[in-house]
Amino acid sequence: KAGVTQTPRYLIKTRGQQVTLSCSPISGHRSVSWYQQTPGQGLQFLFEYFSETQRNKGNFPGRFSGRQFSNSRSEMNVSTLELGDSALYLCASSLGGTASYEQYFGPGTRLTVT
Amino acid sequence: TQLLEQSPQFLSIQEGENLTVYCNSSSVFSSLQWYRQEPGEGPVLLVTVVTGGEVKKLKRLTFQFGDARKDSSLHITAAQPGDTGLYLCARRTAGGTSYGKLTFGQGTILTVHP
Repeated sequence: KAGVTQTPRYLIKTRGQQVTLSCSPISGHRSVSWYQQTPGQGLQFLFEYFSETQRNKGNFPGRFSGRQFSNSRSEMNVSTLELGDSALYLCASSLGGTASYEQYFGPGTRLTVT
Repeated sequence: TQLLEQSPQFLSIQEGENLTVYCNSSSVFSSLQWYRQEPGEGPVLLVTVVTGGEVKKLKRLTFQFGDARKDSSLHITAAQPGDTGLYLCARRTAGGTSYGKLTFGQGTILTVHP
């Protein structure tokens, strides 16, 4: 069974631009969560999606947004990029629902903002 | 905010030594997960502990959940260079429409020298 895939793996953007990151969950998984990882703040929760609905949102500004499609694939968008948005963005998938909560992470997208 | 405090932050040891990593909180966990992350990759789930006093073993790794479910530890026996990586503890919080977001500790960077 293929794992969680994230594209692109690396991205360099300029301050003020916007970026879209993509995540394909494990086949059969309906829940996707996004996390931001930085050396200073560690791993922080961004959003949680299940059945195309945002179920939870972390404490990030409105420039961070996401969505989930009917095939469970998810995208996150960051508008008006700032230098501080440079980070590893991780996507995690799980079956969803209360029965299973084990999350499986993708390799991440390394975003560098210059 | 229900923070997870991990210690130590950094650990540099020689092959064959034993080590323990700690994860503490002021509040009770319903469950706790341990992850290991290698450079350039996403975190990989090692274990989930649920019951107070629980001990789980994964080869040379021993995980303990405190009786009061406020703390956990990871002990590695006879560490090997392949154990090098970032070790993270995480608690899952669920409620409302959320099936569970993960809150992570700051992590312990382990380096095992040959």
